[in-house]
Amino acid sequence: DTAVSQTPKYLVTQMGNDKSIKCEQNLGHDTMYWYKQDSKKFLKIMFSYNNKELIINETVPNRFSPKSPDKAHLNLHINSLELGDSAVYFCASSQDPALSMQYFGPGTRLTVL
Amino acid sequence: GQNIDQPTEMTATEGAIVQINCTYQTSGFNGLFWYQQHAGEAPTFLSYNVLDGLEEKGRFSSFLSRSKGYSYLLLKELQMKDSASYLCAVTDNYGQNFVFGPGTRLSVLP
Repeated sequence: DTAVSQTPKYLVTQMGNDKSIKCEQNLGHDTMYWYKQDSKKFLKIMFSYNNKELIINETVPNRFSPKSPDKAHLNLHINSLELGDSAVYFCASSQDPALSMQYFGPGTRLTVL
Repeated sequence: GQNIDQPTEMTATEGAIVQINCTYQTSGFNGLFWYQQHAGEAPTFLSYNVLDGLEEKGRFSSFLSRSKGYSYLLLKELQMKDSASYLCAVTDNYGQNFVFGPGTRLSVLP
């Protein structure tokens, strides 16, 4: 069984659209994260959720919003997509916030045209 | 804020030893991680250091000096499959923040 899964794996869309990326972990972890990795391969944390509460919220545009229906899921919603949003988005989870190893999902490659 | 620095690229020969350095400046340091990322794949955990010294795990070892803000990842008996990016990451602000360095792309040549 996949520990951390994301869907879709690839997402191609037009500027201005609204899209969502789903993430699920079956590890029983308490904390989940969203990262953005740009074309220069810089991996930057966007959000993390611990027990359904936001504990880190980096300075990302408010067009991005995380939604956690339960401890095993953290979905990423993006409104009014822009060209600069094109990147690979990784979901991850860990037992403790920032104190234990993180397990990453396979990534979602978002391309905004 | 945080500042993490790593060499951009390194090249080594199969069977050799390579050391990848990471320097950082943070407040409320709470631990340092090393991750490996193959091209087109997700990062995978390699090691975690919170106290000074060397942590050995098979062919990989990681060293930390908190007073110097310095860590290194040592890879022994290099194999072709070790060609990947190696990411240093630091937790700071007493565990409330998690920051990755820019990564070092290692190429292992035959």
